[in-house]
Amino acid sequence: DGGITQSPKYLFRKEGQNVTLSCEQNLNHDAMYWYRQDPGQGLRLIYYSQIVNDFQKGDIAEGYSVSREKKESFPLTVTSAQKNPTAFYLCASSIVPDGGELFFGEGSRLTVL
Amino acid sequence: GQQLNQSPQSMFIQEGEDVSMNCTSSSIFNTWLWYKQDPGEGPVLLIALYKAGELTSNGRLTAQFGITRKDSFLNISASIPSDVGIYFCAGRLMYSGGGADGLTFGKGTHLIIQP
Repeated sequence: DGGITQSPKYLFRKEGQNVTLSCEQNLNHDAMYWYRQDPGQGLRLIYYSQIVNDFQKGDIAEGYSVSREKKESFPLTVTSAQKNPTAFYLCASSIVPDGGELFFGEGSRLTVL
Repeated sequence: GQQLNQSPQSMFIQEGEDVSMNCTSSSIFNTWLWYKQDPGEGPVLLIALYKAGELTSNGRLTAQFGITRKDSFLNISASIPSDVGIYFCAGRLMYSGGGADGLTFGKGTHLIIQP
């Protein structure tokens, strides 16, 4: 089945550690996105990529990094510079970068101990 | 980013009741998307709207693209227990130039069905 796969589902991290969240899609979508979700807030855009080897910062990129070496993969690294990393992270993709519908993965919950 | 006002923030209803929620903004949009999110899961797309005035149904769900392009409505008829969850609207700005930075999400409506 086509879809977006995020892993791990749950992740615990000690302060000062970097962690990488995986996002893989087999929908052949050009664009991929990372959002952060906190209780009581709408989804906030971290980074997005419209094409391989290119990506742009979203509204809250500080403390995060991404890469887009393959069309189907868009991993997110939460660095130790992110002040409040505990959150639910959602990866999404769309067939075209400038419109259409976003499809989401099942999310990854990161907890910093 | 732009502000989308989604209301109500939460709804407590009885099974079988109809539900109505909306999103409004001072900005003009060319796309409205409605999602449902279950606890601990990713949002699932329910309905996509692309034309002002468009009315689209998906089973018991009906959504409308406001004629002013500044709002959208989602209605659920004859609610059932599995309708429980958080419903999000998302709008793509008319003059954003495209890209992910043109898509704004509401804060969600929590739908709770009382026994």
